[in-house]
Amino acid sequence: SQQGEEDPQALSIQEGENATMNCSYKTSINNLQWYRQNSGRGLVHLILIRSNEREKHSGRLRVTLDTSKKSSSLLITASRAADTASYFCATDGSGNTGKLIFGQGTTLQVKP
Amino acid sequence: GAVVSQHPSRVICKSGTSVKIECRSLDFQATTMFWYRQFPKQSLMLMATSNEGSKATYEQGVEKDKFLINHASLTLSTLTVTSAHPEDSSFYICSARDLRTHEQYFGPGTRLTVT
Repeated sequence: SQQGEEDPQALSIQEGENATMNCSYKTSINNLQWYRQNSGRGLVHLILIRSNEREKHSGRLRVTLDTSKKSSSLLITASRAADTASYFCATDGSGNTGKLIFGQGTTLQVKP
Repeated sequence: GAVVSQHPSRVICKSGTSVKIECRSLDFQATTMFWYRQFPKQSLMLMATSNEGSKATYEQGVEKDKFLINHASLTLSTLTVTSAHPEDSSFYICSARDLRTHEQYFGPGTRLTVT
């Protein structure tokens, strides 16, 4: 099954800086979603971008999607210590099955 | 927003015993629920798709006789880890797909520790 790859695997920045995480996937998709997970906790849905969209914003989050390169990026602007978490992309493949395939994740540490 | 609950949130069991984990959609109906497993410092791996009123569909490499799934109603799916071993220790997360909107919502996860 497809398994997305994310880079970097780990990212450490200072509060106030921007954080960019990238995700690549292997097959056609209906949409791509980004999730946040605090250590040992459940997933928090951040944003969904459909295959016919190229960019989407939500607050301090900006997501881009390039279906020709099968890649997406998540930008968090003006990061805060509370943004420290793991971030995962997940793709919902064609066929509308609802099955999500998750990327490996990026662990973000924002230092106060 | 829609809520999915999991019970228990944490469970410790002895090797060889079976453990049942419940996944409930609290304010919507779901014909389809999904079960994921997450090992420490790793990503979520889809284990199976739970279908209300029919057999679950398992991903390659997941033993259906070891991970029994029952989707008895439109709001409840259960995952039973049979004859648990220490290597089954993991974080198990379910998600439920709203029958009407097809939006998917995740439960808070269940931490299973097998001693």
